[in-house]
Amino acid sequence: AQSVAQPEDQVNVAEGNPLTVKCTYSVSGNPYLFWYVQYPNRGLQFLLKYITGDNLVKGSYGFEAEFNKSQTSFHLKKPSALVSDSALYFCAVRVETNAGKSTFGDGTTLTVKP
Amino acid sequence: NAGVMQNPRHLVRRRGQEARLRCSPMKGHSHVYWYRQLPEEGLKFMVYLQKENIIDESGMPKERFSAEFPKEGPSILRIQQVVRGDSAAYFCASSRPQGRTEQYFGPGTRLTVT
Repeated sequence: AQSVAQPEDQVNVAEGNPLTVKCTYSVSGNPYLFWYVQYPNRGLQFLLKYITGDNLVKGSYGFEAEFNKSQTSFHLKKPSALVSDSALYFCAVRVETNAGKSTFGDGTTLTVKP
Repeated sequence: NAGVMQNPRHLVRRRGQEARLRCSPMKGHSHVYWYRQLPEEGLKFMVYLQKENIIDESGMPKERFSAEFPKEGPSILRIQQVVRGDSAAYFCASSRPQGRTEQYFGPGTRLTVT
């Protein structure tokens, strides 16, 4: 079985400070990892993914994430947070052999204060 | 280049009625996924379909729920004899044929059962 944990329901940061949203996963096999963002009353938007290659992946809006195989983590980061980054963030995992079925974490609400 | 389209955006049904939710995938996408998001909860996978085939329905409730993706037309998620516990946001996503691709989400249908 595959699973995703986002240990923090809420992350609060001040504008201009770095932010980290944590994600750990559990799979049998090679993981494909994804981050999505959801703004109020909207669908999810894709931010970035790790499939293979460099452990540090860069995505939309200045976000990046680091794949750490030994710690089974895929934390989302941004060097300098913006108020407009405030949203709900979801981490998702899929095993390369499990066509289609992605498992999502419960989400982390990021609030960036001016 | 239209994204994933879902309609209706809001649907109100009385207990015992049927709800039909529609999803048109992005152009060129042949894979469709349905998710349910309950208030204050994350996304829960329901079903994964390709044209005329259900690939994985392990997240679908055994009764009252069904999904289809016909050769022509949108994918339909049908909920028969709705109950108040069915009130949720239902999101559809689509992707290209599986591999290393991310999913693209529609804006969701918010079902309210009165």
